[in-house]
Amino acid sequence: AQSVAQPEDQVNVAEGNPLTVKCTYSVSGNPYLFWYVQYPNRGLQFLLKYITGDNLVKGSYGFEAEFNKSQTSFHLKKPSALVSDSALYFCAVRDFGSGNTGKLIFGQGTTLQVKP
Amino acid sequence: ETGVTQTPRHLVMGMTNKKSLKCEQHLGHNAMYWYKQSAKKPLELMFVYNFKEQTENNSVPSRFSPECPNSSHLFLHLHTLQPEDSALYLCASSQESTGFGYGYTFGSGTRLTVV
Repeated sequence: AQSVAQPEDQVNVAEGNPLTVKCTYSVSGNPYLFWYVQYPNRGLQFLLKYITGDNLVKGSYGFEAEFNKSQTSFHLKKPSALVSDSALYFCAVRDFGSGNTGKLIFGQGTTLQVKP
Repeated sequence: ETGVTQTPRHLVMGMTNKKSLKCEQHLGHNAMYWYKQSAKKPLELMFVYNFKEQTENNSVPSRFSPECPNSSHLFLHLHTLQPEDSALYLCASSQESTGFGYGYTFGSGTRLTVV
């Protein structure tokens, strides 16, 4: 079965500094990978995805993620963090083990705290 | 607005009450999902509907009863809940018929408190 892990419960970074939120995955076959962001009392919002092609994927709000097949990682990055980036971030992978549903399996989430 | 609307946004109910959560999407998607999000826990997939048919029930207690009358609407009927059922319930939809390269679109959730 597919799985995804986010090893850090929380990441703290100063405003203006680069940020990285880590994600590793375990899949059989080619991975379909996603990042979502959740602000307080809201649903999850799509940030970016990797399906195929360039390993560096660009998404919303200046975020990008790097797909690394040898390290089975899909870390989320941003060159310069903003206080408004503070939120809960989820990595997800498609699970093709359940027939045609292709459900998303989410990591446990990482809280990003950007301090001014 | 994301195109997925959940009502109500907040719900407080007693353990003997019966209530329903509603989810509506006008994105033309053909799959809909219920997730439970509790504090300090990962997102838990509860139910999956694909073309109005339930394709997954993740060992959810029978006090949660889903209903999907058409591809645009999804309900979660609640009865005799427990305090540990208090959580944020998220609805999502996706377009599955054209491949799995798409993510989900989420609603803003219903914050449920069981007293």
